[in-house]
Amino acid sequence: DAEITQSPRHKITETGRQVTLACHQTWNHNNMFWYRQDLGHGLRLIHYSYGVQDTNKGEVSDGYSVSRSNTEDLPLTLESAASSQTSVYFCASSRDGGSPLHFGNGTRLTVT
Amino acid sequence: GENVEQHPSTLSVQEGDSAVIKCTYSDSASNYFPWYKQELGKRPQLIIDIRSNVGEKKDQRIAVTLNKTAKHFSLHITETQPEDSAVYFCAASKGQGGKLIFGQGTELSVKP
Repeated sequence: DAEITQSPRHKITETGRQVTLACHQTWNHNNMFWYRQDLGHGLRLIHYSYGVQDTNKGEVSDGYSVSRSNTEDLPLTLESAASSQTSVYFCASSRDGGSPLHFGNGTRLTVT
Repeated sequence: GENVEQHPSTLSVQEGDSAVIKCTYSDSASNYFPWYKQELGKRPQLIIDIRSNVGEKKDQRIAVTLNKTAKHFSLHITETQPEDSAVYFCAASKGQGGKLIFGQGTELSVKP
């Protein structure tokens, strides 16, 4: 069965370090998204991609970057981790506009 | 950009009662409105969605209504059960790409 996998599930890092969260989907979806989830804020869009070599900024993109070199992967990089980036991060994919999002299991990131 | 407001933030009902969660959106071009349910520690999962050419959609105990003129849509759960307890998110998107902007979430508690 097709799926979307995030790794690691949990990560603890120190302030100032570069961190990369992985997202891999086997749905063959063009659209991929990264969200962060914080209490009281719901799911906020960080970056998204509509295809290979395409990336776009979302609502809360400062301090984050993504790259899309193939259809299956959209890694999220925190350039210099800050305590404000402690959160649960969800990757998602969809076939096209108006199609449901399929979410990964999330990565819980703690920045100390 | 699009902004989605969701109310209430918490909702407590007795088992068997109905629950209603409301959302408003700002971008009149939005045309896709899904609802997600998220249980504690799990990923969000789609429970129902509606497109702008439809005013109402029902799936067993769950229904969604859309008022395009007022730019609001609502989730209705009838005959609530304890397993309906979760956080519910509304979202809106437009166009081909389909990036979803989420509301802040509603924590529903169904008391036996």
